[in-house]
Amino acid sequence: NAGVTQTPKFRILKIGQSMTLQCTQDMNHNYMYWYRQDPGMGLKLIYYSVGAGITDKGEVPNGYNVSRSTTEDFPLRLELAAPSQTSVYFCASTLRYGAANEQFFGPGTRLTVL
Amino acid sequence: KQEVTQIPAALSVPEGENLVLNCSFTDSAIYNLQWFRQDPGKGLTSLLLIQSSQREQTSGRLNASLDKSSGRSTLYIAASQPGDSATYLCAVNAGGTSYGKLTFGQGTILTVHP
Repeated sequence: NAGVTQTPKFRILKIGQSMTLQCTQDMNHNYMYWYRQDPGMGLKLIYYSVGAGITDKGEVPNGYNVSRSTTEDFPLRLELAAPSQTSVYFCASTLRYGAANEQFFGPGTRLTVL
Repeated sequence: KQEVTQIPAALSVPEGENLVLNCSFTDSAIYNLQWFRQDPGKGLTSLLLIQSSQREQTSGRLNASLDKSSGRSTLYIAASQPGDSATYLCAVNAGGTSYGKLTFGQGTILTVHP
């Protein structure tokens, strides 16, 4: 299994541009999450999904959109990039909701908005 | 709202020392707690997961304990090595309607020098 994969690894955007961060998992996990990590900080939840077709907002959803058309994929869309969205973005997944189920993280996408 | 705090923010120790990293959380109604390791510029690697019904978990030189009632967890690293140098993050899963969402601490930056 490749686990959780993310593309691209790095990206530089200009203010106002749009882009989609891709996330794919091959573990048949139901739950998927998008977090962002600002320098020297922990991770904050942007959006999450409990299954195909079901998404909900996390702690910091403004400026982002998500969709979940398949179990495997959970893309994150930035519509009008702003410097405040400069961050490292991590996608994560877990099989099901339960005390014994750990989350697995992708390698991250480093985004700079200039 | 759940808040997670990690102390110390940074720690520098000589090789061979035993060390303790601390994590505290404000709401004791948690499902589980995960400890992660993050190398510079990399993603998160899960080290240990402790379920709310457990007191501790061990993996090799790592031992994590959980005291839910006092809102604390510790990660004990025995016989530290330079390869242990990384940022260590703890994250709590609040259970209930949180659907597996994790709340992270800001991390402890560990440096083990030869």
